[in-house]
Amino acid sequence: DSGVTQTPKHLITATGQRVTLRCSPRSGDLSVYWYQQSLDQGLQFLIQYYNGEERAKGNILERFSAQQFPDLHSELNLSSLELGDSALYFCASSAGGRGLDEQYFGPGTRLTVT
Amino acid sequence: AQRVTQPEKLLSVFKGAPVELKCNYSYSGSPELFWYVQYSRQRLQLLLRHISRESIKGFTADLNKGETSFHLKKPFAQEEDSAMYYCALSANRLAFGKGNQVVVIP
Repeated sequence: DSGVTQTPKHLITATGQRVTLRCSPRSGDLSVYWYQQSLDQGLQFLIQYYNGEERAKGNILERFSAQQFPDLHSELNLSSLELGDSALYFCASSAGGRGLDEQYFGPGTRLTVT
Repeated sequence: AQRVTQPEKLLSVFKGAPVELKCNYSYSGSPELFWYVQYSRQRLQLLLRHISRESIKGFTADLNKGETSFHLKKPFAQEEDSAMYYCALSANRLAFGKGNQVVVIP
């Protein structure tokens, strides 16, 4: 167990809807990262927050947004959902904000858009 | 831009045979490279990083800047090595390859 928790485990929703995925980092970790894993694209970095501030941005669609709260948990909001958004969404955390830091991954949230 | 390529999606090897997972990267700066592993029903976790120059579970990986490669090797595969392996490059963010599914045949 990495200490990173994600809720919910599974989510099934319809196209056009909006969902929120939640991540709690390991105790003491300041950085949270979000990734999308799909069969064709592999593991894609979406966004990183460090101590409440956005630190790095990857291939995140404009329909998606994230934030990190003062207690360091993070939420990923996905709106106007499309079938292609069906994927496994991982969150990871690390102690610092640097790329050298080992990232600890959560179990993922499986999103199915129907 | 940083990019990681893992050319083989699936690799099947017999127990006791050598394993080599290829990873090539493109990055203009000085790269930091990692291998992450995901065993069945477990989370993605760090296997090794190039700066440590260590062997983990019998796996080693050498950074070859001339060939821009960071191939993962193990001389004798074990059944418990069956997993998904991801090569990753870190600059301002971690970029993953698409992964290699390794199946070790008993």
